[in-house]
Amino acid sequence: DADVTQTPRNRITKTGKRIMLECSQTKGHDRMYWYRQDPGLGLRLIYYSFDVKDINKGEISDGYSVSRQAQAKFSLSLESAIPNQTALYFCATSDGLAGVKEQFFGPGTRLTVL
Amino acid sequence: AQSVTQLDSHVSVSEGTPVLLRCNYSSSYSPSLFWYVQHPNKGLQLLLKYTSAATLVKGINGFEAEFKKSETSFHLTKPSAHMSDAAEYFCVVSGTGRGSTLGRLYFGRGTQLTVWP
Repeated sequence: DADVTQTPRNRITKTGKRIMLECSQTKGHDRMYWYRQDPGLGLRLIYYSFDVKDINKGEISDGYSVSRQAQAKFSLSLESAIPNQTALYFCATSDGLAGVKEQFFGPGTRLTVL
Repeated sequence: AQSVTQLDSHVSVSEGTPVLLRCNYSSSYSPSLFWYVQHPNKGLQLLLKYTSAATLVKGINGFEAEFKKSETSFHLTKPSAHMSDAAEYFCVVSGTGRGSTLGRLYFGRGTQLTVWP
């Protein structure tokens, strides 16, 4: 089984709808992240959480919110979706031990907002 | 502040020829650097990482990268390309300053590698 899972894998929705993307991990990591990927722009950080009680905005948090329900679960919500939120969304995790650690990525959620 | 510049958005090589994907970084502190690969319709996989040990870092699938502080570069190379190497590659620098940047990763815009038969 995959260590970092995302649901749904694909979603098509309409402008103005509320959407939730979910991420679960079995790696036991404290830190979780949400990114969006747009062609030619790489990955940009939306929100991140270093533990259950810690939520931080990333570079592009406007229009998004998150919830860290448990150590293993981190959800991303679009309160009122708009077409320029059409993108590929990735969840990632890393451990919180000392030193810089690589991040482990889920398979991605492709979101289309019409 | 941390940032990464990938100097080529697209690189095309023939199978069996060398691969060079170029990356320059900017960091106020001694950085940790990574290369990730993304195959079509897949998530990101770590190729290799530099964390201030040896400056020549070996990764998976025959890739390696050399950290050159004087040139602020971390180029990715492979002696002989294979068709399966066709993918998008991301150079990434860690946030090493204090406060909110620590533990974060900053991605380059990616280099699409095409391998011709």
